[in-house]
Amino acid sequence: RKEVEQDPGPFNVPEGATVAFNCTYSNSASQSFFWYRQDCRKEPKLLMSVYSSGNEDGRFTAQLNRASQYISLLIRDSKLSDSATYLCVVNLASYGKLTFGQGTILTVHP
Amino acid sequence: EAGVTQSPTHLIKTRGQQATLRCSPISGHTSVYWYQQALGLGLQFLLWYDEGEERNRGNFPPRFSGRQFPNYSSELNVNALELEDSALYLCASRYQVDTEAFFGQGTRLTVV
Repeated sequence: RKEVEQDPGPFNVPEGATVAFNCTYSNSASQSFFWYRQDCRKEPKLLMSVYSSGNEDGRFTAQLNRASQYISLLIRDSKLSDSATYLCVVNLASYGKLTFGQGTILTVHP
Repeated sequence: EAGVTQSPTHLIKTRGQQATLRCSPISGHTSVYWYQQALGLGLQFLLWYDEGEERNRGNFPPRFSGRQFPNYSSELNVNALELEDSALYLCASRYQVDTEAFFGQGTRLTVV
């Protein structure tokens, strides 16, 4: 089983749609969680950290379910500029290890 | 404040040669990570340095090595280059092991 698994995608949605990505992780000792976005052939950029209580940043909402070992990202009112690959990242601090999921491709079309 | 910087941006080497990639972390960050991203694939963890020491490495052969200098900058060396080493090599730094990481723009290595 992979350490971090994401929805395979790709997701193709119209502008204004709501889209959700899920991600599961295998190590229950994982301590912190993040979502990054990566544009084509560019470096990953932090989108948001994921907190136990869930958190929101504008149109983006992240949730963590430790019992089921998954995190989610919800994007509301999708924009063309949201088109990117979204990477789920799990941190095992004791090993200093940041493990990335394979990424989910999102394409928002007019 | 300057972000993570990597050099060179692009590097072309022939099979069997050695490549050296460099990374300067964000000021105040002591941890540096190296990742390999082959075309169309995900990020594969290579190495983690903290306070000048190698703390962890991924499932890569010993010809992938590196070091971290007293100013926390880092170098990745790849010996005996193979065609399959062609990839985007990304460096990231973080302040502590439970905080977010920030990436440099990467070095695109092409082995011909």
